Amino acid sequence: DADVTQTPRNRITKTGKRIMLECSQTKGHDRMYWYRQDPGLGLRLIYYSFDVKDINKGEISDGYSVSRQAQAKFSLSLESAIPNQTALYFCATSGSDRDETQYFGPGTRLLVL
Amino acid sequence: QKEVEQDPGPLSVPEGAIVSLNCTYSNSAFQYFMWYRQYSRKGPELLMYTYSSGNKEDGRFTAQVDKSSKYISLFIRDSQPSDSATYLCALIKAAGNKLTFGGGTRVLVKP
Repeated sequence: DADVTQTPRNRITKTGKRIMLECSQTKGHDRMYWYRQDPGLGLRLIYYSFDVKDINKGEISDGYSVSRQAQAKFSLSLESAIPNQTALYFCATSGSDRDETQYFGPGTRLLVL
Repeated sequence: QKEVEQDPGPLSVPEGAIVSLNCTYSNSAFQYFMWYRQYSRKGPELLMYTYSSGNKEDGRFTAQVDKSSKYISLFIRDSQPSDSATYLCALIKAAGNKLTFGGGTRVLVKP
């Protein structure tokens, strides 16, 4: 089984709808991240969490919110989806300060019409 | 201006050729340097990680860092069709800090 899983893998929604993307990990990591990927722009950080009680904004948090329900679960919500939120969304985890490696999930492809 | 610049490609090479990829950055605060590989419809996976100027070799892959020029490179020797992917550089300013990614370079290795 994959260490970092994301659901759904693909989603089509309409402008104004609320949508939640979910991420689960079995790596036992404290740190979790949400990124979006757009062609030519690489990965941009939306939100990150270093433990269950810690939530931080990334560089592009406007229009998004997150919830860290448990060490293993980190959800990303779009309260009112808009077309320019169409992108590939990735969840990632990392273990500690001593290991900067981030482990990515398979991604969620989101289309907002 | 982006903090990390990377040519988007695509970079097309014949099988067996050397692939040369690079990123430039503007902030001397970056201390740790990574290369991630991303296959189509997959998440990125770490390929190489270095934190000092100079070369680091791992099999067919060599990562090179020149902090004085703010320039990092990744070389793939004896390239294979299975190396066809997008390669992203990722930089960190300090331990425990966030990754800053380049835009990625798409590489195509033709049989």
